[in-house]
Amino acid sequence: ETGVTQTPRHLVMGMTNKKSLKCEQHLGHNAMYWYKQSAKKPLELMFVYSLEERVENNSVPSRFSPECPNSSHLFLHLHTLQPEDSALYLCASSQDSWHVGGGETQYFGPGTRLLVL
Amino acid sequence: QKEVEQNSGPLSVPEGAIASLNCTYSDRGSQSFFWYRQYSGKSPELIMFIYSNGDKEDGRFTAQLNKASQYVSLLIRDSQPSDSATYLCAVNSATNKLIFGTGTLLAVQP
Repeated sequence: ETGVTQTPRHLVMGMTNKKSLKCEQHLGHNAMYWYKQSAKKPLELMFVYSLEERVENNSVPSRFSPECPNSSHLFLHLHTLQPEDSALYLCASSQDSWHVGGGETQYFGPGTRLLVL
Repeated sequence: QKEVEQNSGPLSVPEGAIASLNCTYSDRGSQSFFWYRQYSGKSPELIMFIYSNGDKEDGRFTAQLNKASQYVSLLIRDSQPSDSATYLCAVNSATNKLIFGTGTLLAVQP
């Protein structure tokens, strides 16, 4: 158990659906991250939040909308996704983000396996 | 050139042997280096990090860093079938972003 939880673990959705992914960290960290992991590709950073403020948006399409209501919770709202968005979505946290000189050791949640039909 | 490069494998070693996993990086200003293990269908798990040139040992794992050659490696001694996984190298670049390689698949044969 890494102290970072994600729900749901698996999700199947149609292209017209709206769904949300949830991440919670119990480590007292100040930074949280969303990553996308597709087959044969490196982990792709999507968003970074530091103290509930979005500090990085890595050119992610607007059909992905993050929300960070507090430093322990992070959401990824999904709408009108495409089949190529099918992937493993990983949440991570670290004590601080690189924007404030931290971000070194990131701890990952178990991920949400998303399939878009 | 990819920022962090790893051989995708699979790297196959017999049980009890030493597995050697390699990673090269392009940003000379990189300061911190990490190895994550990812079992199939699971999330990455931090194994080791290293900041200074030389070797760092933790149990059966040894990380080696050579900043002049922009090279970092992970040695696993007495490899076990349970070590079979994908090993991700990650580098904290000069801009402080954590950049991941595509990973090397290790298969330890009983």
